[in-house]
Amino acid sequence: GAVVSQHPSRVICKSGTSVKIECRSLDFQATTMFWYRQFPKQSLMLMATSNEGSKATYEQGVEKDKFLINHASLTLSTLTVTSAHPEDSSFYICSASIGGFGYTFGSGTRLTVV
Amino acid sequence: AQSVTQPDIHITVSEGASLELRCNYSYGATPYLFWYVQSPGQGLQLLLKYFSGDTLVQGIKGFEAEFKRSQSSFNLRKPSVHWSDAAEYFCAVGPSQTGANNLFFGTGTRLTVIP
Repeated sequence: GAVVSQHPSRVICKSGTSVKIECRSLDFQATTMFWYRQFPKQSLMLMATSNEGSKATYEQGVEKDKFLINHASLTLSTLTVTSAHPEDSSFYICSASIGGFGYTFGSGTRLTVV
Repeated sequence: AQSVTQPDIHITVSEGASLELRCNYSYGATPYLFWYVQSPGQGLQLLLKYFSGDTLVQGIKGFEAEFKRSQSSFNLRKPSVHWSDAAEYFCAVGPSQTGANNLFFGTGTRLTVIP
């Protein structure tokens, strides 16, 4: 149980275009979704926290106009990287809070901006 | 402020040998502690977690971890490593004390297993 499906797993886009990453909770309602970014050989850094029906809360240094997060339903949260540039290339992972301080993670999206 | 330190960036062990991955944390209260494993290009899989109670925690795949409050440590151990254990291991502490309830992750330890 408590599975989060993340798509796409891998995407290559041209510089200046936008990319949308989706995370769906398959068998539970994800009230809170965390979006992390992971640079090569580094740890996961929290980008933002989204609560269903509310505006996302962004961590310091994360551009909210560049990384648009939508959490309009209890089963879907999306991260859109707008006007992507090569420095946005990274591994993005979503994570849902499943209560009792349990967390489930998506399988990640490898974004490459060329 | 909360933080997690994994002192070993990369560890190489022989298959069948024992393993210990180190994790130290800084946290203002009693922490919830986690160990996750990540295979290349994949998400994170929970190995085990500690919330309270017995300080020796058993997890999946034969892993265990011991919470030592006096040392602010939560080291991961396995008595006999298998080749399939080669992966990246992350220690994490939570919830965030700023209210978001997110986890803070260490920088990870990459495990290589040699035949």
